[in-house]
Amino acid sequence: DAGVIQSPRHEVTEMGQEVTLRCKPISGHNSLFWYRQTMMRGLELLIYFNNNVPIDDSGMPEDRFSAKMPNASFSTLKIQPSEPRDSAVYFCASSGRDRVNNEQFFGPGTRLTVL
Amino acid sequence: AQSVTQLGSHVSVSEGALVLLRCNYSSSVPPYLFWYVQYPNQGLQLLLKYTSAATLVKGINGFEAEFKKSETSFHLTKPSAHMSDAAEYFCAVSEKTSYDKVIFGPGTSLSVIP
Repeated sequence: DAGVIQSPRHEVTEMGQEVTLRCKPISGHNSLFWYRQTMMRGLELLIYFNNNVPIDDSGMPEDRFSAKMPNASFSTLKIQPSEPRDSAVYFCASSGRDRVNNEQFFGPGTRLTVL
Repeated sequence: AQSVTQLGSHVSVSEGALVLLRCNYSSSVPPYLFWYVQYPNQGLQLLLKYTSAATLVKGINGFEAEFKKSETSFHLTKPSAHMSDAAEYFCAVSEKTSYDKVIFGPGTSLSVIP
């Protein structure tokens, strides 16, 4: 299995631009998570989906952030408009159907820099 | 509500010395507990997990952790540190009733001195 795939790995953009981060979870996994990691705030859960349905988006910082999961193999996290304080590493993770063994598998992350 | 605290944001040990990373949790129901490791420029990967079986859990790379309910702790240990152990370590908790949502601690950065 290729693991969780994220693209792009690095993104540099200017303030005000739209940014779209992409994630392909591990095949067969039914839960998908978006996290943000910064030095100041550590690892924060932004939103998670179960069976393509958003379950908890309480971590989404503001309306500029949105996430979608149109099917079981693809999710996007969009920031519009982007701001310098959005600079961070964004991780996608997925977990499987085994309720007892809910290990999350993380992608390599997207390092976002907003100038 | 669940929460995780990790005592010490940065720990330094000498190569060959004991590694002890502390984790305390708060949970209103029996928890699942995890330790994840993050190497530079990589995502997190699971080291070990406790899911109500044996209280002493063995993980990869020689790490182990002991669940102590009376102390609400799940400290991570390794008898002898190796240079390759230098990384960020995260303790995490989830509740069996809402297994999907995992709460991560702030992390502890481990340095290994030659």
